[in-house]
Amino acid sequence: KQEVTQIPAALSVPEGENLVLNCSFTDSAIYNLQWFRQDPGKGLTSLLLIQSSQREQTSGRLNASLDKSSGRSTLYIAASQPGDSATYLCAVRTTGGGNKLTFGTGTQLKVEL
Amino acid sequence: GAGVSQSPSNKVTEKGKDVELRCDPISGHTALYWYRQRLGQGLEFLIYFQGNSAPDKSGLPSDRFSAERTGESVSTLTIQRTQQEDSAVYLCASSETSRPYNSPLHFGNGTRLTVT
Repeated sequence: KQEVTQIPAALSVPEGENLVLNCSFTDSAIYNLQWFRQDPGKGLTSLLLIQSSQREQTSGRLNASLDKSSGRSTLYIAASQPGDSATYLCAVRTTGGGNKLTFGTGTQLKVEL
Repeated sequence: GAGVSQSPSNKVTEKGKDVELRCDPISGHTALYWYRQRLGQGLEFLIYFQGNSAPDKSGLPSDRFSAERTGESVSTLTIQRTQQEDSAVYLCASSETSRPYNSPLHFGNGTRLTVT
């Protein structure tokens, strides 16, 4: 059974700092891994999707890496801003896991002025 | 273009009542998912629809839960005889048809259900 873990559960940083969020998964047989952000009272916004054959994806100040063999992904946020404050979730689609994504419980990020 | 739309945004109901939640996916997306997010917990998969194929109901927690989808459009999630443990945010997502396993999911804002 696939399990996804995100560490830390919460993180507070000053504005401008670069930061890394971690995601680990137990079954490396995945189609892809997706990073989302969730703002309070809102749904999830897709940030980046990395296919199993890829090592990283970049979008603006965000860079996501994938090391499938070790079951790890990181989300790097450069020059953090208060608007980046949200909960960040990673999710994997496992081969043979049917049609569902398995989600981590998220990292709650606060970027302070 | 319009994103995934869910209604109502909030629903308060008494224990034992039935509720119906609605999801309008992004136009052209034939894959549709329902997830549940309980307070302080991760998202739980409930059900998946792909075109006219039989839905994947493997995540439904009990027979009080059911979902329907008309063609490639609106979906409704019905919870019968609601219990307090059904209180959660119910999220709907859709993704593109052509590569359902490799396309990103787009989520609605969810329906917050409170059972009193």
